[in-house]
Amino acid sequence: EADIYQTPRYLVIGTGKKITLECSQTMGHDKMYWYQQDPGMELHLIHYSYGVNSTEKGDLSSESTVSRIRTEHFPLTLESARPSHTSQYLCASSASTGGTEAFFGQGTRLTVV
Amino acid sequence: QQPVQSPQAVILREGEDAVINCSSSKALYSVHWYRQKHGEAPVFLMILLKGGEQKGHDKISASFNEKKQQSSLYLTASQLSYSGTYFCGTASYGNNRLAFGKGNQVVVIP
Repeated sequence: EADIYQTPRYLVIGTGKKITLECSQTMGHDKMYWYQQDPGMELHLIHYSYGVNSTEKGDLSSESTVSRIRTEHFPLTLESARPSHTSQYLCASSASTGGTEAFFGQGTRLTVV
Repeated sequence: QQPVQSPQAVILREGEDAVINCSSSKALYSVHWYRQKHGEAPVFLMILLKGGEQKGHDKISASFNEKKQQSSLYLTASQLSYSGTYFCGTASYGNNRLAFGKGNQVVVIP
């Protein structure tokens, strides 16, 4: 049973607002990831972290930022939301990058109007 | 960076077999397979860590050819529950990212 949680599940927000998507895991995993996925489309890696205070941008350029102050918490922030940010955001974690499975949260479906 | 998955979509009847593929231009440390159903999070199927490794999950199995930097997923005697999008995730030596391909959409019809 995966112990990784994302809130909110759904968010509709106006253009220009600042938002933070929450992701928490209770498994003590060092590696955490944020993926962006449009409906029926591929998973784009936008941020990843391999431990506290270490974050890197992923393959897809994103205007969002992340922080990793605690092992269990990996929030994603958009300073000024735009309609182009409308998408599903999936958070995942794993004990190691390649050797163990990644557990996914249920995702946050963001709509910017 | 992203692995390439093929074919893009497969339609098969219940009980038929199918093979979907994943390849990378980089030397791979591991290959992961996940299945995602509409509106849900991806669910882990299996991970292959060594070249030549093969694994099975129910009637779904996979192989990893490290030399060719590719993996194949075999759906045997498919069931309706096998429908979904299958994502291949790869980890390369020397980096910390788990990158996914575009997915193979599998539709199993009665």
